[in-house]
Amino acid sequence: AQKVTQAQTEISVVEKEDVTLDCVYETRDTTYYLFWYKQPPSGELVFLIRRNSFDEQNEISGRYSWNFQKSTSSFNFTITASQVVDSAVYFCALSEVTSGTYKYIFGTGTRLKVLA
Amino acid sequence: EPEVTQTPSHQVTQMGQEVILRCVPISNHLYFYWYRQILGQKVEFLVSFYNNEISEKSEIFDDQFSVERPDGSNFTLKIRSTKLEDSAMYFCASSPRRGDYGYTFGSGTRLTVV
Repeated sequence: AQKVTQAQTEISVVEKEDVTLDCVYETRDTTYYLFWYKQPPSGELVFLIRRNSFDEQNEISGRYSWNFQKSTSSFNFTITASQVVDSAVYFCALSEVTSGTYKYIFGTGTRLKVLA
Repeated sequence: EPEVTQTPSHQVTQMGQEVILRCVPISNHLYFYWYRQILGQKVEFLVSFYNNEISEKSEIFDDQFSVERPDGSNFTLKIRSTKLEDSAMYFCASSPRRGDYGYTFGSGTRLTVV
């Protein structure tokens, strides 16, 4: 069964601290995609990254970086030098391919509060 | 950049009333989706739609829900007889093709059932 676990319900950091949001997934598929979305207080879902199961390269985009490790079924997200504008709920999601399921399975989200 | 447009942004309806949530997907996209997020909870899949028919639906998507693409541009979600527990944010999404997982989500419609 497919499942995404975000064990951290809420994290508070002080501005300029680094913070890592954890995501652990379960799937029987060999081909799948993983995603991170940001949901600011306004409520929309802002796409951050998509990673396919064959690409374990870590990725960096500005202050954001992602660490994908198939061996531990994890896809963690790090924000470097956090800013108040990073305050939001962050969702990790999984989409299976081989099974023909194209829906996204979301985790329960991590609420990040960055304090000035 | 192309967007998925959802209207209205917020709708209040009385329990038992029918409600239609509207979405305009990106014009060259072929796969359409509805997701639901109850306040403070995770985003949940409701239904996927391709070639004018439902391709997959979740347990949440029971007989009170229906989807339609009435005119080739709009994609609607109808809830026939709303319940208090239908209060949620509803997100529409579209994708250009099955092998491409570049969903584009709309900004959502917040439905409040009173």
